[in-house]
Amino acid sequence: DSGVTQTPKHLITATGQRVTLRCSPRSGDLSVYWYQQSLDQGLQFLIQYYNGEERAKGNILERFSAQQFPDLHSELNLSSLELGDSALYFCASRGQGGGNTIYFGEGSWLTVV
Amino acid sequence: DQQVKQNSPSLSVQEGRISILNCDYTNSMFDYFLWYKKYPAEGPTFLISISSIKDKNEDGRFTVFLNKSAKHLSLHIVPSQPGDSAVYFCAATGGAGSYQLTFGKGTKLSVIP
Repeated sequence: DSGVTQTPKHLITATGQRVTLRCSPRSGDLSVYWYQQSLDQGLQFLIQYYNGEERAKGNILERFSAQQFPDLHSELNLSSLELGDSALYFCASRGQGGGNTIYFGEGSWLTVV
Repeated sequence: DQQVKQNSPSLSVQEGRISILNCDYTNSMFDYFLWYKKYPAEGPTFLISISSIKDKNEDGRFTVFLNKSAKHLSLHIVPSQPGDSAVYFCAATGGAGSYQLTFGKGTKLSVIP
């Protein structure tokens, strides 16, 4: 158990819909990362938040957005969903005390039909 | 442009033998490298890491070697066990700022009893 919690674990939705994925980082971790893993692809970095503020952006589509709340949990919002958005979405967190190790949650499986 | 490459999608090894997983990178700014292990339906689990100031780091059965001049790292597992069967991801980070990880596409290791 990494200490990073993601909900929901599985989600099936129709094209054009909007979903929200939720992440609770490890206790005390200020950094939250979102990654996407599609079939035959490695983990693609989407976005990072640090203590409520956006820190870095990767290959995140304009239809996607994220935020980190004062209690440090984070949400990834995916809108106008397309079939190609079907993927495993991982949240990860990193501690404040240094070190480059990032700990991952178990992921949210999104299937768009 | 893939900055971290794992050129072998799969590897099969007999139980008790050595498993060697390889990873190449292109970005000279990378200065910290990590290996993650991933079982199906689970999030990636941190395994071992190495800083660019070292050329070897060992943790039990796992050793990571870094050849900076060749921009190459490898993970050695000795002896390999059936429970090591998983997908192994190489990741790299570097430069000041976000500590975001760039991942390879993974190598699926199968340890045959």
